[in-house]
Amino acid sequence: DTGVSQNPRHKITKRGQNVTFRCDPISEHNRLYWYRQTLGQGPEFLTYFQNEAQLEKSRLLSDRFSAERPKGSFSTLEIQRTEQGDSAMYLCASSPGSTGEAFFGQGTRLTVV
Amino acid sequence: DQQVKQNSPSLSVQEGRISILNCDYTNSMFDYFLWYKKYPAEGPTFLISISSIKDKNEDGRFTVFLNKSAKHLSLHIVPSQPGDSAVYFCAAVDRGSTLGRLYFGRGTQLTVWP
Repeated sequence: DTGVSQNPRHKITKRGQNVTFRCDPISEHNRLYWYRQTLGQGPEFLTYFQNEAQLEKSRLLSDRFSAERPKGSFSTLEIQRTEQGDSAMYLCASSPGSTGEAFFGQGTRLTVV
Repeated sequence: DQQVKQNSPSLSVQEGRISILNCDYTNSMFDYFLWYKKYPAEGPTFLISISSIKDKNEDGRFTVFLNKSAKHLSLHIVPSQPGDSAVYFCAAVDRGSTLGRLYFGRGTQLTVWP
């Protein structure tokens, strides 16, 4: 399977706990994006990596959120001290460059109880 | 600030007929536009795209039209099939930007009934 892979697909956590999601992009893609989608909304941009460098972070990404992409390969998104408002679908996408297309993984559904 | 807008949250069409989904944008720097299809509990799947230098792009049953002067694009599905029932997102990007992030509309839920 050469698509974008995200794990886990679902995560239920108690408020205040930390969670970490993983994204494996398409191997030859140097751009990696994280988006968040809530009910009734389109995907909202969170952060962007070009290779291992994190080049932009949305103001949606509070200091409880951190993302990494070591060695420009897979990426992780960690949320510390989760809140109920963090409940959403977290989407990862990769892109080969400046073509415009981005290819999405199946997402991680986070539920904070 | 919603730079890409889909003003119809839902559309219901009979099988075999045409579905027309609309999208408006405000940022004149956008030069590439995409449509994604999304089923529940899955990530968006790329459907079709169009560059700002074109006004039409066709792929099988799917055609996207772009009207730059009106900052409007539409997706036509002909003929519509029940398997087309999904949420459709319009997205736009400024490829001149070094970031390449996509700006999405809120989506239109398409229901195709037999």
